[in-house]
Amino acid sequence: AQSVTQLGSHVSVSEGALVLLRCNYSSSVPPYLFWYVQYPNQGLQLLLKYTTGATLVKGINGFEAEFKKSETSFHLTKPSAHMSDAAEYFCAVTPGTYKYIFGTGTRLKVLA
Amino acid sequence: DTEVTQTPKHLVMGMTNKKSLKCEQHMGHRAMYWYKQKAKKPPELMFVYSYEKLSINESVPSRFSPECPNSSLLNLHLHALQPEDSALYLCASSPRGTTSGGYMIYEQYFGPGTRLTVT
Repeated sequence: AQSVTQLGSHVSVSEGALVLLRCNYSSSVPPYLFWYVQYPNQGLQLLLKYTTGATLVKGINGFEAEFKKSETSFHLTKPSAHMSDAAEYFCAVTPGTYKYIFGTGTRLKVLA
Repeated sequence: DTEVTQTPKHLVMGMTNKKSLKCEQHMGHRAMYWYKQKAKKPPELMFVYSYEKLSINESVPSRFSPECPNSSLLNLHLHALQPEDSALYLCASSPRGTTSGGYMIYEQYFGPGTRLTVT
């Protein structure tokens, strides 16, 4: 069985500060991992994905994530937060089937 | 073009009404999904269509009836809904992919959603 844990339902950072959103997963098969962002009253937008190959994955809007198998983690980072980054972020895992397992989400607040 | 469109954007309906939600994609994806999302929660999978055939039904009540008329269109027919069915309904689609290990990888592309209110 697969599961995803997002530590911290709310994260606040100052504008220009490092953004770190945590995601840990459990999987009995090689996982495929995703980060999505959701702005208020909108759908989910794919930020980045890990399938195979390079463990450091770069996504849109300056975000990146690193797959660490030994730590079963896939944390999302951005060097410098912008006000427009304020949103809900979801980590998701799939074993390669139609079903996604979503984390419970982290709401990012960016302080001026 | 990585766009999934959904109509209407907002829908208010009474418990005796019949309405439909529409989803469209022109990315050539052969898997399409309906999700329900309550406030401050992750999306919950309702249905999956693969090659226009219903592949997964997550024990959704029969007052929700999906339909996939062709590879680009997905509908969700609503009838006799309850107030607790009020939510954001999201459509998604995904391409198929393979790895050397034989797994299929499904990155999903979501539409903007329909905000449904049942009165």
